[in-house]
Amino acid sequence: DAGITQSPRHKVTETGTPVTLRCHQTENHRYMYWYRQDPGHGLRLIHYSYGVKDTDKGEVSDGYSVSRSKTEDFLLTLESATSSQTSVYFCAINPAGTSGREQFFGPGTRLTVL
Amino acid sequence: KNQVEQSPQSLIILEGKNCTLQCNYTVSPFSNLRWYKQDTGRGPVSLTIMTFSENTKSNGRYTATLDADTKQSSLHITASQLSDSASYICVVSATRNTGNQFYFGTGTSLTVIP
Repeated sequence: DAGITQSPRHKVTETGTPVTLRCHQTENHRYMYWYRQDPGHGLRLIHYSYGVKDTDKGEVSDGYSVSRSKTEDFLLTLESATSSQTSVYFCAINPAGTSGREQFFGPGTRLTVL
Repeated sequence: KNQVEQSPQSLIILEGKNCTLQCNYTVSPFSNLRWYKQDTGRGPVSLTIMTFSENTKSNGRYTATLDADTKQSSLHITASQLSDSASYICVVSATRNTGNQFYFGTGTSLTVIP
């Protein structure tokens, strides 16, 4: 998994509660991404980061926020979780930056919102 | 519209048989195309990556082809094994001013049975 860990790996929460997912990398890569994966959809980009405190929105960013205070950690927060946010969340890195041809993915976090 | 379509959606084959998965895309401007293997409960792992000038790339029993003119790619699996059971995802990158943007197919679910 290219030195990428995600925590927690599984979480069940209730509608309306805040949830934070953590992505941790050990290789000081600048570019990090959060995706969600749902049946019938390809991986969809939520947010990405191109450096400490530098983030931007992806195609499905509504209801999510991110923070990156250290190179190695990229946090994804659901301010008030909804059932539509039940999904599997993947963190990814792009070792070569924006010109990089490949992404490496973490093991995923399965989130269930009841 | 930039899209990546994969077929079939699912496939069941006998162990030892060959199979071919298809990927059609409308992504532009094309940068590269990658095939990922995703085991159940794991993050995607890269199998092959091809640029515009490459029309074949092999990785063991996996052979990917690319026809940039027709915007089609295929992944051929030879002498399938039970461990090949997974989802196979086609990802096409487009070159943007802000860097590469990734477009994901919804995947083909392959089941290899004894």
